[in-house]
Amino acid sequence: DSGVTQTPKHLITATGQRVTLRCSPRSGDLSVYWYQQSLDQGLQFLIQYYNGEERAKGNILERFSAQQFPDLHSELNLSSLELGDSALYFCASSTGLGTDTQYFGPGTRLTVL
Amino acid sequence: GQSLEQPSEVTAVEGAIVQINCTYQTSGFYGLSWYQQHDGGAPTFLSYNALDGLEETGRFSSFLSRSDSYGYLLLQELQMKDSASYFCAGLTSGTYKYIFGTGTRLKVLA
Repeated sequence: DSGVTQTPKHLITATGQRVTLRCSPRSGDLSVYWYQQSLDQGLQFLIQYYNGEERAKGNILERFSAQQFPDLHSELNLSSLELGDSALYFCASSTGLGTDTQYFGPGTRLTVL
Repeated sequence: GQSLEQPSEVTAVEGAIVQINCTYQTSGFYGLSWYQQHDGGAPTFLSYNALDGLEETGRFSSFLSRSDSYGYLLLQELQMKDSASYFCAGLTSGTYKYIFGTGTRLKVLA
């Protein structure tokens, strides 16, 4: 158990809908990262927050947005969903800004029908 | 562009030694990390090279050479449970994006 929690574990929805994925980092970690992993693909970095502020942005679509709240939990919002958005979405946390070890949550499997 | 390239698949027998390479084409980054991911599971941290040279952690060792834009993960005394995907990863300097390599699927045969 990494100490990072993600909810829900599974999510099935229809095209055009909007969903919210939630992540709680390890106690004491200030950074939260979001990744997308499509079937048999690598991990695509979406976005990083550090202590409530956006730190770095990867290949995140404009339909996707995220935020980190004062209690350091984070939410990833996916809107106008398309079939191609079906993937595993991982959240990870680390103590510092990015050179330290990242601890991954169990992931949320999103299926868009 | 910024990318970390790995062989797609490596096969070895139980008890053997295997090396998984990672070559990169980015202008600079802060060190190189390695993660293991079993099918259906989350990535877990294995090793990190902040500087050039060899880092050893039990059966796993990792090496980095910045001048050669190259790193590798060495797994010794392979066990069946080592069958998984392995990713190198790095934080790009300047843009602070965390990039994962293309991944290598390791199959360990009995």
